[in-house]
Amino acid sequence: GAVVSQHPSRVICKSGTSVKIECRSLDFQATTMFWYRQFPKKSLMLMATSNEGSKATYEQGVEKDKFLINHASLTLSTLTVTSAHPEDSSFYICSATPRNTEAFFGQGTRLTVV
Amino acid sequence: AQSVTQLGSHVSVSEGALVLLRCNYSSSVPPYLFWYVQYPNQGLQLLLKYTSAATLVKGINDFEAEFKKSETSFHLTKPSAHMSDAAEYFCAVSSTGANSKLTFGKGITLSVRP
Repeated sequence: GAVVSQHPSRVICKSGTSVKIECRSLDFQATTMFWYRQFPKKSLMLMATSNEGSKATYEQGVEKDKFLINHASLTLSTLTVTSAHPEDSSFYICSATPRNTEAFFGQGTRLTVV
Repeated sequence: AQSVTQLGSHVSVSEGALVLLRCNYSSSVPPYLFWYVQYPNQGLQLLLKYTSAATLVKGINDFEAEFKKSETSFHLTKPSAHMSDAAEYFCAVSSTGANSKLTFGKGITLSVRP
């Protein structure tokens, strides 16, 4: 199956700093990628749809200035958590879909803000 | 609008016993339905998907699910549980195709007793 790679898998940062998470489709091109956030023992909540070459589409309630998404190429989308605070600590997962198939997920990034 | 309901948060079965994880959906259009499994601190792996073909869908590791339109259900079953099946299971729905954003249920934790 298709491979989606997410990096880093774990990151600890200080409150007030910014963190960038990368999501790469390794063996296919993805014009669209999705970013999800998962709270402990909770489901995945869609944060935004990342569109190659254009602005991301954010879900209601997601701060676009807090969670910056850049989809600069057909194989890479990045999520930057700006001015991170402890409440931003979470598990972030991206997904991408080769044409007409199911979504493939990255392995997730555990963000801890201290 | 679309939604997924997974009743209960935890199911415990004995090794070798039948696994039944329930999922009900709501969708204004014919849905695409998915079951994913998640192991701790990892991304999601697709178990199986329904995309308007056969109503009984077979997936990996002997899992299967049956789409029942009249009951708006897509329950996941496995005849004989293995210890390695212990994980978090998510049902998800998409109304616009396998390559679009997913709405997830809240997930069910499956425990397998020796």
